[in-house]
Amino acid sequence: GAVVSQHPSRVICKSGTSVKIECRSLDFQATTMFWYRQFPKQSLMLMATSNEGSKATYEQGVEKDKFLINHASLTLSTLTVTSAHPEDSSFYICSARDGKTQYFGPGTRLLVL
Amino acid sequence: QQQVKQSPQSLIVQKGGISIINCAYENTAFDYFPWYQQFPGKGPALLIAIRPDVSEKKEGRFTISFNKSAKQFSLHIMDSQPGDSATYFCAATEGAQKLVFGQGTRLTINP
Repeated sequence: GAVVSQHPSRVICKSGTSVKIECRSLDFQATTMFWYRQFPKQSLMLMATSNEGSKATYEQGVEKDKFLINHASLTLSTLTVTSAHPEDSSFYICSARDGKTQYFGPGTRLLVL
Repeated sequence: QQQVKQSPQSLIVQKGGISIINCAYENTAFDYFPWYQQFPGKGPALLIAIRPDVSEKKEGRFTISFNKSAKQFSLHIMDSQPGDSATYFCAATEGAQKLVFGQGTRLTINP
């Protein structure tokens, strides 16, 4: 199947700093990528849909100024958590769509101290 | 109407047994139903998927059964192995829309 990578896999930062997470589709082009957040023992919560060359579509309740999404190319989308706080600590997962199928990245564990 | 209800929440099966996870949906416009397997600390991996014009799809030990009239679909894992212990998510989507996930099932295979 198709491969999606994420970087970094794990990041620890101080409260108030910004963190950027990269999501890349390695062997296919993805006009649409998705960003999810997952809390322990829970399902995936969609944060936003990222479309190449246009603004991201955010789900209700997700602060677009806090979670900045950029999809500048057909293989790269980035999520920047701005002014991170301890409550932003979570597991962030991206996915890229190839046809009707979504392929997920390995996830990024963010810990904000 | 956009929900996908998954059961059971957790499941324990003996090695060699059959694991069965069920999902139900309301939106009859859903046209693609994938199953994902997720190990702790990892992203979900696509396991198998089915479209509503097919009643069953089998890939190795994994089978999806699909009942369009009942709006239900299920995952069967034959000859379950300890390495199958993971969380399984069913999902559904309509056209090019976002995936709607079930709540997940934590599967434990006892050796």
